[in-house]
This record gives sequence, C-alpha cells and structure tokens, in this order.
Amino acid sequence: TQLLEQSPQFLSIQEGENLTVYCNSSSVFSSLQWYRQEPGEGPVLLVTVVTGGEVKKLKRLTFQFGDARKDSSLHITAAQPGDTGLYLCAGASSGAGSYQLTFGKGTKLSVIP
Amino acid sequence: GAVVSQHPSRVICKSGTSVKIECRSLDFQATTMFWYRQFPKQSLMLMATSNEGSKATYEQGVEKDKFLINHASLTLSTLTVTSAHPEDSSFYICSAKRGPAYEQYFGPGTRLTVT
Repeated sequence: TQLLEQSPQFLSIQEGENLTVYCNSSSVFSSLQWYRQEPGEGPVLLVTVVTGGEVKKLKRLTFQFGDARKDSSLHITAAQPGDTGLYLCAGASSGAGSYQLTFGKGTKLSVIP
Repeated sequence: GAVVSQHPSRVICKSGTSVKIECRSLDFQATTMFWYRQFPKQSLMLMATSNEGSKATYEQGVEKDKFLINHASLTLSTLTVTSAHPEDSSFYICSAKRGPAYEQYFGPGTRLTVT
C-alpha cells in the first residue's frame, strides 16, 4: 500500500507570509499532482509534476518534485486570503493501467487578512 | 478545458431507499472514471475505478453490491447507493481521466444525507 504523508495538517498564517507544504512517501510515483479544494466542492488541479527534480511555478506557487520522485513540496509566496483552502497532494501509480491516485490527508490553510 | 459535472449536488433520502449519482465529462471522453468518498475534514478515499464498457474495480472494503457503478459511455458514469443507511451519508466525488495522461479532473461532488 502506497502512503503519502502530508504536513503540516493545519496552517494558519498572516497575509503576506510565506509557507511550504510537504508531501512525502517511501514509494516512487509516476507523477504527483497538487489539488486545491474548497468546502463543498471537488478538488481543482493545480499542477502535475512528472520528472524527478522538476520545478513548476504557478504565479506565487512553486511546486517541486523530489529527485527520487518520492516527495514533493508546495511553496506559496506572500500568501493572500484567496489562497485559503485544503491543499491535497496525490501520487499517481500504474494499477492495471488505470493510474489511480493516492491522496495525502491534506493541509488546511487559513490566510488571515 | 476538462469539465466534469455531477448530479445531483445534494440529495436527502430515507433509509432503505436507493440513490443514483451521475458523473459526466462535458468536453472530453473519459475512458476511466473514479469514484471517491470524503468524510468531513478528511481526504478522499477511492471507492472504485470504472472503465467504459467493463465492470468496475472496487477497492478493498467497498461493497460492490451496495455501491453499483455503471460506465455505459465515454462521458457518463453512475454510482447507485442501494438500500442507503445513515452511515452512507457522505460527500461523493467522481473524477475522470482523459486518455493516458496522469491527471484526473474532479466533479463538484454530491452531498448525500440519509435520514
């Protein structure tokens, strides 16, 4: 069974601060996705990283995939209240060709104005 | 884009009745769809993987006779919760995969309440 450990579980910061969320596993993943979910809604895909060591930027968000493809991080610069939400990392592995996702438990981020 | 819709968004039913939830990929064909369940303040738990034209693959601990999945076309999968009980109350979310790509695109979810 592949597990993804996500930390921290909860994070409350002031507007303008920086933060990093971590996603770690002992397993290798084909790819890793980051999603953001708001209450009562489905997760929205933010980014997919595929290559070990890969870094992707999405405005103030920077995503990194570990060299061994076992871990990933999400860094937010100058957080804003609109960044508030549940951030989920999910690793993809080939299961009978279906590429099922294994989800971390999520990081609930609150950005205080 | 890659838009996935779910219907209904909310449903309340009485214990013992059955409820059908639809998941549609609106602007792409989805060879594979997934059904998840999410409890309050928890992450998503995969229930089953559904491939068009074949039987769904259920995760360990998920009763296939209780959670009936049909993937009749490349744009529609349905989840039927049969003989629902209060413990089946949850947030059910579907996702669809477009071709061989890794990404899954999620629907907005269905809040099921069984009274």
